[in-house]
Amino acid sequence: GDSVTQMEGPVTLSEEAFLTINCTYTATGYPSLFWYVQYPGEGLQLLLKATKADDKGSNKGFEATYRKETTSFHLEKGSVQVSDSAVYFCALSVSSGSARQLTFGSGTQLTVLP
Amino acid sequence: DVKVTQSSRYLVKRTGEKVFLECVQDMDHENMFWYRQDPGLGLRLIYFSYDVKMKEKGDIPEGYSVSREKKERFSLILESASTNQTSMYLCASRSWSRSTNEKLFFGSGTQLSVL
Repeated sequence: GDSVTQMEGPVTLSEEAFLTINCTYTATGYPSLFWYVQYPGEGLQLLLKATKADDKGSNKGFEATYRKETTSFHLEKGSVQVSDSAVYFCALSVSSGSARQLTFGSGTQLTVLP
Repeated sequence: DVKVTQSSRYLVKRTGEKVFLECVQDMDHENMFWYRQDPGLGLRLIYFSYDVKMKEKGDIPEGYSVSREKKERFSLILESASTNQTSMYLCASRSWSRSTNEKLFFGSGTQLSVL
C-alpha cells in the first residue's frame, strides 16, 4: 500500500545550521505531497505542499521538491532558528472511497540550540 | 481564524470505561478525521467522516467507533477503554473542495491515559 518513510530523529542542530530531513514515499498513481509541522503543545499545521512532479513547495524559509524519479520529498532550510524546534511530518494524499486522505510518516523531532 | 477544538487536553480513565472524545470545528467543513499519534509511529487514521452521518474506517478502527450527527461535531468513542489505547488523539477537518488542495486543520490534541 501507500506509505511514507522519514529519516529517524531526533535531530539536534545549532542555530543557523543547514537542515535536511529526508522523506521517501511509495504510492500508486500520482499523489500530492506535504510537510506538516507540530510545535510543542499544538496540533499539526501545514508547512508546505507540492501537487505534481518537479513542483517546489516553500514557506517560512523551508523548501521541498517533488522528485518522482527518486520518489522523494526532502525538507530543507538554509539557516535554522531556535523557533524551528518542532516535530516535522511528511505526508502524501491518496484517494480512498469518497475522500482523499493523508498518510503520514513517523515524524522527525528537530531541536535547534542557541 | 479557523478553529478545531477538542474538548479536553488531558484525560485519565480506567480500563473498561466508555470514553468520549469530542471535536468541534467552526469552518463548515465536510470532512473530519480522528488520528492517534504514538512515538515512532506517527499519525494513524482511526476513522473519518466525509459528511454528516457518513463514516469510514481508517487504518486502525478496532476498539473505536464514531458519531457525526451534526456537521460541526465529530465524536470518537472508546467502547471499553484498554491500556493500549493510551495515546495522543488528534482531530482534523477539511473542506471538500478541489480548490483547497487538501489542507487539513488540526486540533491541539487530547492526551488520553488509560489506567
